[in-house]
Amino acid sequence: DQQVKQNSPSLSVQEGRISILNCDYTNSMFDYFLWYKKYPAEGPTFLISISSIKDKNEDGRFTVFLNKSAKHLSLHIVPSQPGDSAVYFCAASVGYGGSQGNLIFGKGTKLSVKP
Amino acid sequence: DTAVSQTPKYLVTQMGNDKSIKCEQNLGHDTMYWYKQDSKKFLKIMFSYNNKELIINETVPNRFSPKSPDKAHLNLHINSLELGDSAVYFCASSQHGTSNEKLFFGSGTQLSVL
Repeated sequence: DQQVKQNSPSLSVQEGRISILNCDYTNSMFDYFLWYKKYPAEGPTFLISISSIKDKNEDGRFTVFLNKSAKHLSLHIVPSQPGDSAVYFCAASVGYGGSQGNLIFGKGTKLSVKP
Repeated sequence: DTAVSQTPKYLVTQMGNDKSIKCEQNLGHDTMYWYKQDSKKFLKIMFSYNNKELIINETVPNRFSPKSPDKAHLNLHINSLELGDSAVYFCASSQHGTSNEKLFFGSGTQLSVL
């Protein structure tokens, strides 16, 4: 039972264009969402997060949008750069400030940004 | 200067063997974790320790035993390895262990059981 779904295993984008990575969740109790980026042979690194009281959070080229009614969030990268090529994991948790045991990860989307 | 370091990076072993993976963090965090990324690519929490105390113990066979000698170290010992244990194991840490904190991951240990 996948509570956090990233339905696109891969995405290819031209350098300079927008990358949009999508994530759907089923548990309406999730109230905190994070994106992690992972390069090959490295561990995931935190990218950006959003709590359910917001619908948008921005950090430089990265923006996360949350649509609670649709149980959907997306990560926008503008403009995309070759160094953004990585696997992006969406994660969600129940109970802001609760235990890390509540954190559920998606399977990841592999982004390739072509020069 | 690596924040979360784990060794070894690769581990190839025979079924039935016992092996250990070591993890150290120099971030001064209170909480450390072991995550498993299986063949389906899901990252799932196995254990967490807060200041040497076991906090989370998910449904993991008791062949897996974490040990935390101090809050900067969390090792994972696996007895009687099975084929299904083949996966990438990630150590991670966070400041206090709450779900709204970002995790800092090690680079992973690729375990292959033959």
